[in-house]
Amino acid sequence: GENVEQHPSTLSVQEGDSAVIKCTYSDSASNYFPWYKQELGKGPQLIIDIRSNVGEKKDQRIAVTLNKTAKHFSLHITETQPEDSAVYFCAASRGGGFKTIFGAGTRLFVKA
Amino acid sequence: DSGVTQTPKHLITATGQRVTLRCSPRSGDLSVYWYQQSLDQGLQFLIQYYNGEERAKGNILERFSAQQFPDLHSELNLSSLELGDSALYFCASSVNRDRARGYGYTFGSGTRLTVV
Repeated sequence: GENVEQHPSTLSVQEGDSAVIKCTYSDSASNYFPWYKQELGKGPQLIIDIRSNVGEKKDQRIAVTLNKTAKHFSLHITETQPEDSAVYFCAASRGGGFKTIFGAGTRLFVKA
Repeated sequence: DSGVTQTPKHLITATGQRVTLRCSPRSGDLSVYWYQQSLDQGLQFLIQYYNGEERAKGNILERFSAQQFPDLHSELNLSSLELGDSALYFCASSVNRDRARGYGYTFGSGTRLTVV
């Protein structure tokens, strides 16, 4: 069945360092890959997404890369700040109106 | 405020009982999705409705059911509750009539269900 694997489950970095979270997906028909950030006591919030016709997308300190052949995609956060501490979920879907399958999440700690 | 409203925020009930969770999607969104998040777990897809019709089903127990009404709000019904049903239940919406909004989901703040 459809599956999204996410690594690592926990990541601790020093403020100012970079953080990288990696995911793989199994459904070859997936063409939309969003990333969500969940802060304590809140629902997940979309922070960036990428579609399968694009290999890389950047938004300020956040970037996502996609390797459709290998079914890998990654989230890169540069110059991390304490407020980046949260749980990050990668996800995959077949596009608008389809269900989204989420990875298990990565708990990111940014130490000041 | 994300625009997706979930009520109640907290619910404590006894085993064997039945509860109803409510979700109002973001204005104009046609699709509603329900997810279950257990302690320190990921988001497990339960069910999706699109414009009133069931669109996709995940690992939803037979004791659970949902529906989407003509005004597009949705309800998730959980019956014969067991201790293991204790979790956060999230509703998300997407697929806006304004296609410029993209494919991403907007999540509500969740309903925390505790079964005692």
